[in-house]
Amino acid sequence: GEDVEQSLFLSVREGDSSVINCTYTDSSSTYLYWYKQEPGAGLQLLTYIFSNMDMKQDQRLTVLLNKKDKHLSLRIADTQTGDSAIYFCAEKPPGANNLFFGTGTRLTVIP
Amino acid sequence: DGGITQSPKYLFRKEGQNVTLSCEQNLNHDAMYWYRQDPGQGLRLIYYSQIVNDFQKGDIAEGYSVSREKKESFPLTVTSAQKNPTAFYLCASSLTRDVQFFGPGTRLTVL
Repeated sequence: GEDVEQSLFLSVREGDSSVINCTYTDSSSTYLYWYKQEPGAGLQLLTYIFSNMDMKQDQRLTVLLNKKDKHLSLRIADTQTGDSAIYFCAEKPPGANNLFFGTGTRLTVIP
Repeated sequence: DGGITQSPKYLFRKEGQNVTLSCEQNLNHDAMYWYRQDPGQGLRLIYYSQIVNDFQKGDIAEGYSVSREKKESFPLTVTSAQKNPTAFYLCASSLTRDVQFFGPGTRLTVL
């Protein structure tokens, strides 16, 4: 299987920017994803990026993709307490039917 | 109100029992998936189905069974053969197989 890596914890102060990083293994992955999971809930799709893009911005969220280094990041601008959650990075290699997930990064926003 | 529903939210099982987790979607998605989530880990694929009356094993199918008799329904049975079934189970569906949307999850606990 694939081995998607993320750091386990991140703490930021309310109003600061958060940057969550991820490294993935398959350089031919066609799509890369960010999901958010609040306590006891399912996964909410935040955004995804196609592999021929370097950047995607959606309101407070900015995704950066470095294919050479197989590195994906999610930047959350003006982080709010409601952003506290676990964030999962996932990749979909070509021909695969499922997504391969990282272990998740727990973001804690300090008021 | 479109979406993916899972029931029950919490389920308790005695050793040796089979239990069935429900997953229903009204998004008209062809593909459906079952994932298992353990604490501090990413999601692992149990089974997936691309069309009605067809399904395939994922990475950790042992001790589980599924059926896909209707497009909108993909129930998962956790059998007594599954040695460590306590986990959070997530169902997902997708239209294009590139973007998956998740239900709210079922937490299964073995007593």
